[in-house]
Parts: sequence; C-alpha cells; structure tokens
Amino acid sequence: GAGVSQSPRYKVAKRGQDVALRCDPISGHVSLFWYQQALGQGPEFLTYFQNEAQLDKSGLPSDRFFAERPEGSVSTLKIQRTQQEDSAVYLCASSSGPGHGRNTIYFGEGSWLTVV
Amino acid sequence: AQTVTQSQPEMSVQEAETVTLSCTYDTSESDYYLFWYKQPPSRQMILVIRQEAYKQQNATENRFSVNFQKAAKSFSLKISDSQLGDAAMYFCAYRSSPSEGTYKYIFGTGTRLKVLA
Repeated sequence: GAGVSQSPRYKVAKRGQDVALRCDPISGHVSLFWYQQALGQGPEFLTYFQNEAQLDKSGLPSDRFFAERPEGSVSTLKIQRTQQEDSAVYLCASSSGPGHGRNTIYFGEGSWLTVV
Repeated sequence: AQTVTQSQPEMSVQEAETVTLSCTYDTSESDYYLFWYKQPPSRQMILVIRQEAYKQQNATENRFSVNFQKAAKSFSLKISDSQLGDAAMYFCAYRSSPSEGTYKYIFGTGTRLKVLA
C-alpha cells in the first residue's frame, strides 16, 4: 500500500475485554514497530519485528500484551483483559531496511484505544 | 539508559517568523542518531530532519535546520519563515547506532507549536 495502514482507527473497550489492533505496513517493508502513546506523552517503544521474527519485545508493559507477525507482513497487537491505563494511541511503523540506525521509518495514523 | 528532554511544552510564532524548539538528551554512547518528528492532529508522525552524531555539520531541510551541540548534548530545531501548516506537536527522538543492537526510538514529551496568522 501507499502508507502504513492501521485498524481500527478508534476502539472503545470495556475494562476486561480483549482487543486486537491491526497494522498493514508498506508493501515490502521488512521492519515493523509498535509504539504506545499516552495522552500528552511521546511514543514509547513496545516491540520490533524483522520479517516474522520478533527481535525485541522489551517494551511490552505486561504479559497481557502480545504481538505477532506470522507471515512477515501484517501484524496484530493483542491486549488481553484491558485496563484503563491501556488507553492510548497505538502507533505502528515500518521500514524497508533493518530497523536501526539512520533508516527512515514510516508511521501509520494510529489506533486510538479508550478503555472504559 | 538514554533520555530525551523537551522543556518547552508549548511555543508560539508569528507567521513568517523564526522559532527554535529545544531538545537535550543524555547518553553515554558516542555514535547515535537524532531526529525531529512532526505530529499533526491526525497523529501520524512525519520525519522533519535527522542528524548523525558523527557529522559535525548541522543538517538542513529547506526551512528546517538544526543546531547540534554534541558536547552539550543539545539538538534544537529552527523553523524559518513559519507557515500555518507548521502548527503541530514536534518530538525530538534519539536512536542508538546499529552496533548497540537496539531498535527503539526514544522520544521526548513534545512541544506544541502554534503559528499565529
């Protein structure tokens, strides 16, 4: 696709509900990132994939958060038993090269999650 | 651990004037990359400019330029001839070199720029 596409754009979940957020990276991009952006804050790193391999998941805040990219393209971020502190914008980004250094990464518009 | 600090929560500039956004960072690494990203209300982060730490020359991109002071760990963004479309949140970000084996960006808390007509 022309850009990084995320869905749903907006999600309201009841506390305790499971949610799944989808990211379609730019076609052919090998690197994929997930970031969490709370209100009034900068994005915080969650996890990184190179193709289908999850090379870094050090930013996932708890075992309720799980990400996958089984075929090295589309990725899903799953949050189990959502809590109010999970309310944030979840940004996905992709890069054509390895996900480090000066390589430009391209962000999607994010999925806005509100937990009530 | 690396940190990025943006001490100006909000800045205003008159259209066609120049404004400077501040950013400081802390690191023990000698090789790294610094970035400024723009985030409009749509929330999509857009790369404005980047600087490699090993380069002494300050990066420029049209109306955008940086003042990179490595010893002071300072990385400010100057926007010249400000336009209404420049209004957005601006984030400073740090990234380690590939040899550090990490992939994350570390972002500051952002500066909201208002452009007055």
